[in-house]
Amino acid sequence: NAGVTQTPKFRVLKTGQSMTLLCAQDMNHEYMYWYRQDPGMGLRLIHYSVGEGTTAKGEVPDGYNVSRLKKQNFLLGLESAAPSQTSVYFCASSDRTNTGELFFGEGSRLTVL
Amino acid sequence: GIQVEQSPPDLILQEGANSTLRCNFSDSVNNLQWFHQNPWGQLINLFYIPSGTKQNGRLSATTVATERYSLLYISSSQTTDSGVYFCAVLKYNFNKFYFGSGTKLNVKP
Repeated sequence: NAGVTQTPKFRVLKTGQSMTLLCAQDMNHEYMYWYRQDPGMGLRLIHYSVGEGTTAKGEVPDGYNVSRLKKQNFLLGLESAAPSQTSVYFCASSDRTNTGELFFGEGSRLTVL
Repeated sequence: GIQVEQSPPDLILQEGANSTLRCNFSDSVNNLQWFHQNPWGQLINLFYIPSGTKQNGRLSATTVATERYSLLYISSSQTTDSGVYFCAVLKYNFNKFYFGSGTKLNVKP
């Protein structure tokens, strides 16, 4: 039981490049979230999903797109990366049919040059 | 949304000391969790505690839902307890968690 898995763990991009972060969970959770954490700061919600085929904006959605084509996967895309998107990205999932407890992946460190 | 305030923002302890971290929240909630972010950046679940008291080794937590606060107790602190402790709350009809800004703990040997 792997929990929440993020790939890649590290990535360096040039300004203007695109990339996709993949989050996969094997706990059959309905709800999934993408957060970013800048150095010395807390977590800010980018986008979230309450079920397969659904997505919703969080606090800081600009510059990002997401898709939830399968229940177990939640993809975060950067179409044209900017240095301001240099951050650590965390995916999380929760089981709202049970306790609603939130579980995090290990994070993906993205640097945009 | 829900306001979540954590105190103190920073805490320095000598190894072996005890500490209490506090989380206040502005509305009734369905879920409250405590997380530890270790110096390597991992976010570790400590407690799921919407009400009542739980203990896990040297750590314990109490949530008084009617008064909208939760406390995390760390006893006999160790250097491995260093990191940032976050409190997060969930109200079902908001569909998202609200995080406090964290308490940064530094345990010195």
